[in-house]
Amino acid sequence: AQTVTQSQPEMSVQEAETVTLSCTYDTSESDYYLFWYKQPPSRQMILVIRQEAYKQQNATENRFSVNFQKAAKSFSLKISDSQLGDAAMYFCAYRGSPSGTYKYIFGTGTRLKVLA
Amino acid sequence: DADVTQTPRNRITKTGKRIMLECSQTKGHDRMYWYRQDPGLGLRLIYYSFDVKDINKGEISDGYSVSRQAQAKFSLSLESAIPNQTALYFCATNDRGTGELFFGEGSRLTVL
Repeated sequence: AQTVTQSQPEMSVQEAETVTLSCTYDTSESDYYLFWYKQPPSRQMILVIRQEAYKQQNATENRFSVNFQKAAKSFSLKISDSQLGDAAMYFCAYRGSPSGTYKYIFGTGTRLKVLA
Repeated sequence: DADVTQTPRNRITKTGKRIMLECSQTKGHDRMYWYRQDPGLGLRLIYYSFDVKDINKGEISDGYSVSRQAQAKFSLSLESAIPNQTALYFCATNDRGTGELFFGEGSRLTVL
């Protein structure tokens, strides 16, 4: 069974600085999606960034980028120029291949604090 | 209006009561999911449905049941609520093209 591990329950970053959140996963599949979701205090789940496993290029969305290491099964999220609005819980998620199920597996989350 | 709507947003109930959480979506997706969020445990899958006639158990389905009344509606029931079912519940739909999950606003349930 697939698993997703976020080993950092909580992280802090100074405003305008850069922070990296870690995520590792375990799977025997070769084709899958990986996601980072943000959950602010409003509790809404918001997609930050997605990565398709067959794409070697790391995904980027404005100040958010990932370091996708397929062989190492690692999918870290880098937030540059951190802003107060980035403070939230961040969840890493995995979705298996079309030939398998479409279940999404989530990590336990990393709470990010942004210090002014 | 939100694309994925959950009702109620918040509910307090007593042990033994039957509770239904409802979810409706306007995105036209056929796949729908119910997740439960607990502190330190992330989101765990309760049930998922790929169409009206296809319903599947997730990793923590015990104590829960679901009904897919239509493509757009997927409800979660707790037949006899117990305190350890106190949690934040999310409904979500899946975009086949991008793989993205779209979430409702969440339903916070407290069982006393």
